[in-house]
Amino acid sequence: GIQVEQSPPDLILQEGANSTLRCNFSDSVNNLQWFHQNPWGQLINLFYIPSGTKQNGRLSATTVATERYSLLYISSSQTTDSGVYFCAVEHAGGTSYGKLTFGQGTILTVHP
Amino acid sequence: DVKVTQSSRYLVKRTGEKVFLECVQDMDHENMFWYRQDPGLGLRLIYFSYDVKMKEKGDIPEGYSVSREKKERFSLILESASTNQTSMYLCASSASTGGYEQYFGPGTRLTVT
Repeated sequence: GIQVEQSPPDLILQEGANSTLRCNFSDSVNNLQWFHQNPWGQLINLFYIPSGTKQNGRLSATTVATERYSLLYISSSQTTDSGVYFCAVEHAGGTSYGKLTFGQGTILTVHP
Repeated sequence: DVKVTQSSRYLVKRTGEKVFLECVQDMDHENMFWYRQDPGLGLRLIYFSYDVKMKEKGDIPEGYSVSREKKERFSLILESASTNQTSMYLCASSASTGGYEQYFGPGTRLTVT
């Protein structure tokens, strides 16, 4: 199956700092999503980005599908950005039915 | 907005009980999924369904079954709950196959004692 690796596993920031989270995947993908898991456990959709660049407020993401990686940028971080960030991909080979394979996540802590 | 709901946020059951976790989506999505999340193991796919009455095993189907009698509803069944099934269970849905955004419900924290 496809492998998904996220880095760094943990990240501690002061409020106002910028950060970059990385997601590497081992094969071609139909879908790549970034999620933020809130303290109550819900996965919040941040970006659907199988290729290209998107921006949403202080967050932006870039996927370079040919090089098999994606980056999530968080600018001017706030304490509410704390939580776990997941990258998940749908393998392009065969009939996937939309199944996602998740990375292990990056735990972000933003201190005031 | 897509909405995926799950029947309970927190559930406590005894070993050996039959447990039903319900998931409902309101966007007429073809695909529905059940994952479990455990510390250190991440999110793992249990079962998924790509149409009414159709189901496929995911990566960790042992000890679980599913039911999809209506398009909007996907149930996860623990036939005889065990303590190693204590976990966070997350339901998701997506449209059709191949490259569609997946949306998640709020999750159910199940404790089996």
